[in-house]
Amino acid sequence: QVQLVQSGAEVKKPGASVKVSCRASGYTFTGYYLHWVRQAPGQGLEWVGWINPNNGDTNSAQKFKGRVTLTTDTSISTAYMELSRLTSDDTAVYYCARVKELLYFGTMGYWGQGTLVTVSS
Amino acid sequence: DIQMTQSPSSLSASVGDRVTITCQASQDITNFLNWYQQKPGKAPKLLIYDASNLEAGVPSRFSGSGSGTHFTFTIRSLQPEDIATYYCQQYDNNPPRFTFGPGTKVDIK
Repeated sequence: QVQLVQSGAEVKKPGASVKVSCRASGYTFTGYYLHWVRQAPGQGLEWVGWINPNNGDTNSAQKFKGRVTLTTDTSISTAYMELSRLTSDDTAVYYCARVKELLYFGTMGYWGQGTLVTVSS
Repeated sequence: DIQMTQSPSSLSASVGDRVTITCQASQDITNFLNWYQQKPGKAPKLLIYDASNLEAGVPSRFSGSGSGTHFTFTIRSLQPEDIATYYCQQYDNNPPRFTFGPGTKVDIK
């Protein structure tokens, strides 16, 4: 079965960077887009970006451009989201999510368990 | 950018009640609209995709309808395990953009 397992919680200081991993199993990693979505405490869901593990193509929401880097290591079926120049507004749970099926690029059918990133001085 | 609104922001209903949530897009999104359920401390779960298609394994009391700018999500008979926040989400690929609604929190009265 499809599983996405994310790395553990992180505490970072303002201005630092954080790198969250998402290890996939149960399917062909290069076959499906992966999205990253975040949720600030008590708030709603916000799309961060996506990556095509087949060729490394990425796109991110305008507010994160220049600050987020999405990569994959296909040899270990793992995706990474690195966010730089952190501020307290980046405190959130970050989720990776795989598209439901090949053609459903915008439908997030499988989710990781989430990684809490806390930014605090 | 496309804006998504949901109403109500929260509701309280009795077990067995019919519950309806609406989602409005700021421009025509045809049927590129999904619904997710999120329970406290858990990741979201896909319930409805492309406005009206029930995801495999999801109980049939959940349904969705609509197209264009106006969408509806319905729980036919509310169950205690349906306590959660529900989000609509639109998607487009030209350019790629994915926007969630603000969510509707559903409680048992």
